[in-house]
Amino acid sequence: GAVVSQHPSWVICKSGTSVKIECRSLDFQATTMFWYRQFPKQSLMLMATSNEGSKATYEQGVEKDKFLINHASLTLSTLTVTSAHPEDSSFYICSARDSTSGGAGELFFGEGSRLTVL
Amino acid sequence: AQRVTQPEKLLSVFKGAPVELKCNYSYSGSPELFWYVQYSRQRLQLLLRHISRESIKGFTADLNKGETSFHLKKPFAQEEDSAMYYCALSGDAGTASKLTFGTGTRLQVTL
Repeated sequence: GAVVSQHPSWVICKSGTSVKIECRSLDFQATTMFWYRQFPKQSLMLMATSNEGSKATYEQGVEKDKFLINHASLTLSTLTVTSAHPEDSSFYICSARDSTSGGAGELFFGEGSRLTVL
Repeated sequence: AQRVTQPEKLLSVFKGAPVELKCNYSYSGSPELFWYVQYSRQRLQLLLRHISRESIKGFTADLNKGETSFHLKKPFAQEEDSAMYYCALSGDAGTASKLTFGTGTRLQVTL
């Protein structure tokens, strides 16, 4: 089946630094990818929809200058947490749908990236 | 606004017992409902979707528009069913719209 890969799986950084997380669709192309955030023992909260070749669409309450999303190719979307602070520590998950399947295709999830900000 | 409610955080059943994981939703249009499962140390994966009307690993779920529910059921629980289950909704069935997840229910199947 289709695979979505995230890198890194986990990262620890100092407060004030920026961290980039990559999301790749390995064997399919995705014009749209989604970024979620998951706090411990809580549900996945959609942060933004990443659109290839255009600006991302952010959910209400998500700071777009804080969480920069770039979707430069059909197989790669990146999430950059800028000037990270301890409250940004979380599990970030991306998902993608095969573009050729249209809107009804299955959504595939990455393994997630755990960010810890000291 | 779309919302998904899973009232139980934890459901513990004995092996061989029936399982029902509850899910209720709120959406004004024509939604598409899904169940996702996350086994220990694995990524989230699709279990089933209401438009497929199929049974996966013995699980079924029927969309009840009158009660706005999409409960997940299995007649006889197995140990390997122990996992985290998330109900999810996508607005406007058939479009590439975003998923809204419930808070999840942890199913624990014991001997």
